[in-house]
Amino acid sequence: AQSVAQPEDQVNVAEGNPLTVKCTYSVSGNPYLFWYVQYPNRGLQFLLKYITGDNLVKGSYGFEAEFNKSQTSFHLKKPSALVSDSALYFCAVRDGAGTYKYIFGTGTRLKVLA
Amino acid sequence: DAMVIQNPRYQVTQFGKPVTLSCSQTLNHNVMYWYQQKSSQAPKLLFHYYDKDFNNEADTPDNFQSRRPNTSFCFLDIRSPGLGDAAMYLCATRLSGRRGQPQHFGDGTRLSIL
Repeated sequence: AQSVAQPEDQVNVAEGNPLTVKCTYSVSGNPYLFWYVQYPNRGLQFLLKYITGDNLVKGSYGFEAEFNKSQTSFHLKKPSALVSDSALYFCAVRDGAGTYKYIFGTGTRLKVLA
Repeated sequence: DAMVIQNPRYQVTQFGKPVTLSCSQTLNHNVMYWYQQKSSQAPKLLFHYYDKDFNNEADTPDNFQSRRPNTSFCFLDIRSPGLGDAAMYLCATRLSGRRGQPQHFGDGTRLSIL
């Protein structure tokens, strides 16, 4: 069965410092991996995805993610955090080949401190 | 801008009184989803449509029904809401036929039960 794990409920980082939000996955076949961000009382907003190709994926708002097949990880990163990056972040994986369903991680709350 | 719109943003209903949440999209996406999200948890898929084909999740209560009269609109009907149904309900869309397309989310309807 496909699964995705976000081991940290919350990540705190000082403004201007680099940030990492962790995600590991378990899939059969090729992984389709996504990161979404959710601000309070809003829907999920797509940040970036990995389908194939370069292991370093660049996305919206300066975020990037590194796909590591051997470690089955897809960590979200940003070189310099902003207070406005404070939000809830979800990693997601497609639930199997040929499906339109996705499995979401439990979410990580990022708090960027001024 | 093309988008996914959910109405109303906030809905209050009484215990046991039927309620309908609506979702419309201008993206012309053929796949539509309804998720339930509680207290910043991971979104839980209730059902999805691939074109007109309805796909119910095995653990979605019978109390939840859905209608999709055309490509643009989708409705979530809760026949007899219980206190446990208080949550944020998210609608999402996706275009099939292109590998790795992300989902596009509306801003949700927050449902409260009195």
